[in-house]
Amino acid sequence: EVQLVESGGGLVKPGGSLRLSCAASGFIFSTYNMHWVRQAPGKGLEWVSTITSGISPSTHYADSVKGRFTISRDNANKSLFLQMNSLRVEDAAVYYCLGTYSSSSDYWGQGTLVTVSS
Amino acid sequence: EIVLTQTPATVSLSPGERATLSCRASQSVSSYLAWYQQKPGQAPRLLIYDASNRATGIPARFSGSGSGTDFTLTISSLEPEDFAVYYCQQRRNWPQLTFGGGTKVEI
Repeated sequence: EVQLVESGGGLVKPGGSLRLSCAASGFIFSTYNMHWVRQAPGKGLEWVSTITSGISPSTHYADSVKGRFTISRDNANKSLFLQMNSLRVEDAAVYYCLGTYSSSSDYWGQGTLVTVSS
Repeated sequence: EIVLTQTPATVSLSPGERATLSCRASQSVSSYLAWYQQKPGQAPRLLIYDASNRATGIPARFSGSGSGTDFTLTISSLEPEDFAVYYCQQRRNWPQLTFGGGTKVEI
């Protein structure tokens, strides 16, 4: 069974940092492109960041998080990470881990809630 | 940046009725468009990929059409479990997986 389980969310003050993790199982993690997608309370979906598969993965970021967030992966431990620095109130959201291999299917985690408030 | 505009924002229908949801792209995305369904408290679920192909396990009452800038998701006869929010997503500018603002299908 495919599973993506996010962790690391919580309450942080503006300007603070948080590191999200996503543990994968049930599929060949190293061959999947991995993404973070977020959803602010009552709002729509927003792509945050992508890290590609392969020996030399490339990373990509939404303009809204560029320079503040860093995506990384550990294929040996089937894990995806998102280091979030200089957090803002507008970064508050449920953060989903997403794995894609082809256009016909994808895998989503259940999300982890990040709250940014003083 | 490709912007996706979904209309209407909310549609009120009854079980058994037909739902027609629209998604318009600010520039051509060819057929690189997907549709997702999201229920409260759940992650999105892929319904349609490449504009018109149903994902595995998706009932035949869901269909997608369109290419270029104008796309449609049709639910031929609404079942009670279909009341949810639907998002379109463009993959033309991969990996920038832009989503539309969503359409809520409510009773």
